[in-house]
Amino acid sequence: DIVMTQTPLSLSVTPGQPASISCKSSQSLLHSDGKTYLYWYLQKPGQSPQLLIYEVSSRFSGVPDRFSGSGSGTDFTLKISRVEAEDVGVYYCMQGIHLPPTFGPGTKVDIK
Amino acid sequence: QVQLVQSGAEVKKPGASVKVSCKASGYTFTSYGISWVRQAPGQGLEWMGWISAYNGNTNYAQKLQGRVTMTTDTSTSTAYMELRSLRSDDTAVYYCARVTWTGRSFDYWGQGTLVTVSS
Repeated sequence: DIVMTQTPLSLSVTPGQPASISCKSSQSLLHSDGKTYLYWYLQKPGQSPQLLIYEVSSRFSGVPDRFSGSGSGTDFTLKISRVEAEDVGVYYCMQGIHLPPTFGPGTKVDIK
Repeated sequence: QVQLVQSGAEVKKPGASVKVSCKASGYTFTSYGISWVRQAPGQGLEWMGWISAYNGNTNYAQKLQGRVTMTTDTSTSTAYMELRSLRSDDTAVYYCARVTWTGRSFDYWGQGTLVTVSS
């Protein structure tokens, strides 16, 4: 199975400040079809995970543009340009190139 | 709007079985697959498997092979996940999620069903 790692595992951010989460995979997530199957999810407290970013950098429907994704191959980053109180929760990266899909351990983001 | 509504919490004894339902609405059920993902208390997310709502094809996580069965009822747009021979480490919140058209991730999730396995 592909192993996903994330750093940091926790992050405390002042509202209005930027935040960045790194995700690394044990194998390249670049498929022969040219797409890279890396996703970001946010699980707010007491809620189900919600899709934020698909295929490295595309925002899912309704996701604010303060969220952006970047990266290639095995190294990826989620950035929040200006953190808001509603952004608290656990952020997971996930790979979808090979079965089984595997998630990173999660990065817990809270507000200072 | 796409909605996945799951059945309520369950308490089971070790060795028993549980069947969780996931009723879909807001889209053509047979055009997408359904995956099941579970989350043990305070832990991360674990993929359990997926089922095509179009033809019923399934793919299960290796560690659950032989204990899990996923089915669908297209007449009611409902997916089911049955887990047998329950153990205490099966205690978790179980989520259903719609598989995206690429088949590579999940876009909409159910609210989750807590399954507690305890003697």
